Amino acid sequence: AQSVTQPDIHITVSEGASLELRCNYSYGATPYLFWYVQSPGQGLQLLLKYFSGDTLVQGIKGFEAEFKRSQSSFNLRKPSVHWSDAAEYFCAVGTGGGADGLTFGKGTHLIIQP
Amino acid sequence: SAVISQKPSRDICQRGTSLTIQCQVDSQVTMMFWYRQQPGQSLTLIATANQGSEATYESGFVIDKFPISRPNLTFSTLTVSNMSPEDSSIYLCSVEEYRGFAFFGQGTRLTVV
Repeated sequence: AQSVTQPDIHITVSEGASLELRCNYSYGATPYLFWYVQSPGQGLQLLLKYFSGDTLVQGIKGFEAEFKRSQSSFNLRKPSVHWSDAAEYFCAVGTGGGADGLTFGKGTHLIIQP
Repeated sequence: SAVISQKPSRDICQRGTSLTIQCQVDSQVTMMFWYRQQPGQSLTLIATANQGSEATYESGFVIDKFPISRPNLTFSTLTVSNMSPEDSSIYLCSVEEYRGFAFFGQGTRLTVV
């Protein structure tokens, strides 16, 4: 069975500073990896996804993530955060079969300091 | 991309009662998924609903507590039965498209008092 670890429960970043949110996964085959964002009282919005190919993937809102197979990681980055980026961020892994659902990490709560 | 509508968006229910949550998708999909997000927690898969067959439940979730219907390829319901305060959560409906790309409804925020 697959699993996802997000080691940082909370992260505080100053507005305009760079951001990196960590995600490690465990899955025996090639993973399908996702980052979702959940703003207060909102549903989940997909930021980006990795299936195969280029290990650096670009997403919406200026986010990117890098897949590193050797480290079983899929860290999310943004060069300069905005106050509107304050939210809960979830990393997820899927099998790609379309029938198994996703396994989510516990989430990282991002706080933006003015 | 699929558009998913959930009803109700929120509800406050008395313990011991049941609530049925509806999920409508704007396109035909084979699989629909129901997740629970307890307060301050991540999402946990409750069950997978395939049209024309019984839902498949994850460990820790049972049909008597969370009966699911899937009458056609665009609609599903999840019922939370005999509710207790521990059932207070956000319940989300999801569909997966090609390569497990999942879309989510806005969720149903349930409070049991």
